[in-house]
Amino acid sequence: DAKTTQPTSMDCAEGRAANLPCNHSTISGNEYVYWYRQIHSQGPQYIIHGLKNNETNEMASLIITEDRKSSTLILPHATLRDTAVYYCIVRVAVDDKIIFGKGTRLHILP
Amino acid sequence: DAGVTQSPTHLIKTRGQQVTLRCSPKSGHDTVSWYQQALGQGPQFIFQYYEEEERQRGNFPDRFSGHQFPNYSSELNVNALLLGDSALYLCASSLYRLDQPQHFGDGTRLSIL
Repeated sequence: DAKTTQPTSMDCAEGRAANLPCNHSTISGNEYVYWYRQIHSQGPQYIIHGLKNNETNEMASLIITEDRKSSTLILPHATLRDTAVYYCIVRVAVDDKIIFGKGTRLHILP
Repeated sequence: DAGVTQSPTHLIKTRGQQVTLRCSPKSGHDTVSWYQQALGQGPQFIFQYYEEEERQRGNFPDRFSGHQFPNYSSELNVNALLLGDSALYLCASSLYRLDQPQHFGDGTRLSIL
């Protein structure tokens, strides 16, 4: 079973920041938080990952709480092309597989 | 720099047949993982190959088997196809380290009639 909990769906206005929450209350100390997104008819696209510090790249920012029990993915200026299912994943420490949950379906509204 | 490539993109088979799907990893990657994604669901891990050996396996029957070649490319084989095997089959490649992300191809859409 997935170790994360995400809202089923969210809406965000185009041009605004999209903030996608994720709960991972049972995360272990050496497990990373990964975010992927999947646009219709494509494979999942890697966005960002982190262990305990906040991370930023050209696509998004990842904010991880100090207790590491939750995180937020931030898309700073959402566009219509950001409409997708977003998966928050905790990478199992010993194994290397990815266990996907149901994700959050993000709708960007014009 | 080519990403993960999968072939074919679409395939139609009938129950009881066998199928082979192929994956070429992203340049520089040495590990290949396979996932099955049913319609409306998240991808489910099938197995992972590194150094031509199966390293991890998900909850899939022995009808699902794989292979990795010396050039790191991989095949997924499914025998005795069932209607329930209809899905998008995704290949992901990575470097064999815990903190490296997996990069996915766009998958093979398999339909069983």
